[in-house]
Amino acid sequence: EPEVTQTPSHQVTQMGQEVILRCVPISNHLYFYWYRQILGQKVEFLVSFYNNEISEKSEIFDDQFSVERPDGSNFTLKIRSTKLEDSAMYFCASTPWGEGANEKLFFGSGTQLSVL
Amino acid sequence: AQKITQTQPGMFVQEKEAVTLDCTYDTSDPSYGLFWYKQPSSGEMIFLIYQGSYDQQNATEGRYSLNFQKARKSANLVISASQLGDSAMYFCAMREGRGTDKLIFGTGTRLQVFP
Repeated sequence: EPEVTQTPSHQVTQMGQEVILRCVPISNHLYFYWYRQILGQKVEFLVSFYNNEISEKSEIFDDQFSVERPDGSNFTLKIRSTKLEDSAMYFCASTPWGEGANEKLFFGSGTQLSVL
Repeated sequence: AQKITQTQPGMFVQEKEAVTLDCTYDTSDPSYGLFWYKQPSSGEMIFLIYQGSYDQQNATEGRYSLNFQKARKSANLVISASQLGDSAMYFCAMREGRGTDKLIFGTGTRLQVFP
C-alpha cells in the first residue's frame, strides 16, 4: 500500500534554530496536513494545505511556522526559530480529497523533534 | 468542554477476547465524521475505521466495529478476537461539520493484550 514518507525520523536542534521537516505525501493525493503530538498528550492539528495554499490552520500555527510544497512531491514544515515547547512528534498526512466527512487520512511515521 | 473524551487511559484484555474502547463526542453540528486510529509503539498513526453522522449502520472493518450511538454521542470501538499485535494506543477523533479540514483527537487509550 502506498505510504506517506517523513524524514528525518528524529531531529535534534538547538533552541532558536530553524528546522525543516520533510514529507512526501502519496502521489495522487491533493490535501496535505501537519499534526503534532507532544509527549503524552493528544494529537493536535496544525495546518492543512490544498492547491498550493493553506486552507486551514490552528492557533498553534503562528508566524514561526510555515509550509511549502516546493516541487510537486515534497511537503515541508518549517519552524523558523524553535522553542523548547516545539519538542514533539510531527506527523504529516495526506488524503485524496478534502472537506466532507468521510475521507481517510493517511499518516506518515512522524518526525520526533527535540529542541535543546 | 472536550470535543472528544476517552475515559479509559488503559485497558487490558486477554488474547482472543473482545474489548470495547470508549469514546464520547460533543458537537452541535449535524454533519460530522468519527474516526479511530491505532498508534503502535513505533509511532505511526494507522487508520482503523470511520463512521459518518448520517450513516444508518455501524461501521465494520474486519475485526474492528464501531458501536455508534448517536443519541448518546458515543462511538465506541469494539475489537473482536484480540491479538497480541493489537497492543497499542488507540485514538478516537472527530471531523466536525463541513468546511473544516481538521481532526480533533481524544487523549487515547492504551490497550494491552496479554496471552
